[in-house]
Amino acid sequence: DVKVTQSSRYLVKRTGEKVFLECVQDMDHENMFWYRQDPGLGLRLIYFSYDVKMKEKGDIPEGYSVSREKKERFSLILESASTNQTSMYLCASWTQGFRDTEAFFGQGTRLTVV
Amino acid sequence: AQKITQTQPGMFVQEKEAVTLDCTYDTSDPSYGLFWYKQPSSGEMIFLIYQGSYDQQNATEGRYSLNFQKARKSANLVISASQLGDSAMYFCAMREFTPGANNLFFGTGTRLTVIP
Repeated sequence: DVKVTQSSRYLVKRTGEKVFLECVQDMDHENMFWYRQDPGLGLRLIYFSYDVKMKEKGDIPEGYSVSREKKERFSLILESASTNQTSMYLCASWTQGFRDTEAFFGQGTRLTVV
Repeated sequence: AQKITQTQPGMFVQEKEAVTLDCTYDTSDPSYGLFWYKQPSSGEMIFLIYQGSYDQQNATEGRYSLNFQKARKSANLVISASQLGDSAMYFCAMREFTPGANNLFFGTGTRLTVIP
């Protein structure tokens, strides 16, 4: 059973804290993604990675950074958390080369910044 | 410009009836794929159905079918015989297959409520 696992379902952090969201996949996928989901806005891409140590900015990278030291793990970092980063964060992965392969998602992390 | 447009923020359907969720897309890439995902209140994203731009027939998966109209750039999801468990958010998404294009673009979603 394929799996994408996010380290936390719910997280509460204080403004200014450095926050780490971890995502691990066991499918040997090349591509990994971090999305942010807000009501009425759908899913917006923050960062993605198509290989170890490679990263690309998505549509809303400001205030975030990422790390991919191993193929199976993709971390999203909020350098200094702010209240406008309160949101649902979804990690996804999929393999390259198969056109009809769907993206697999983690269970999501609901982050609240107070 | 929005790559994926879902114009129905919310929809209601009677149990056992069919419902159509609208999705239009925008791309100049001749090769692309269209996906529908379901997100229950628990938050996980569940893949439902896929349609490739070169597929000759509309995709079907059980009670789900995709009404693909390429010239109109629409990819509507049809759910037949709705069940209470179908109540969820539904997202349409598109992936372009241009080399180097890796993003999966999502619409804003439609919240479906099935009424007993």
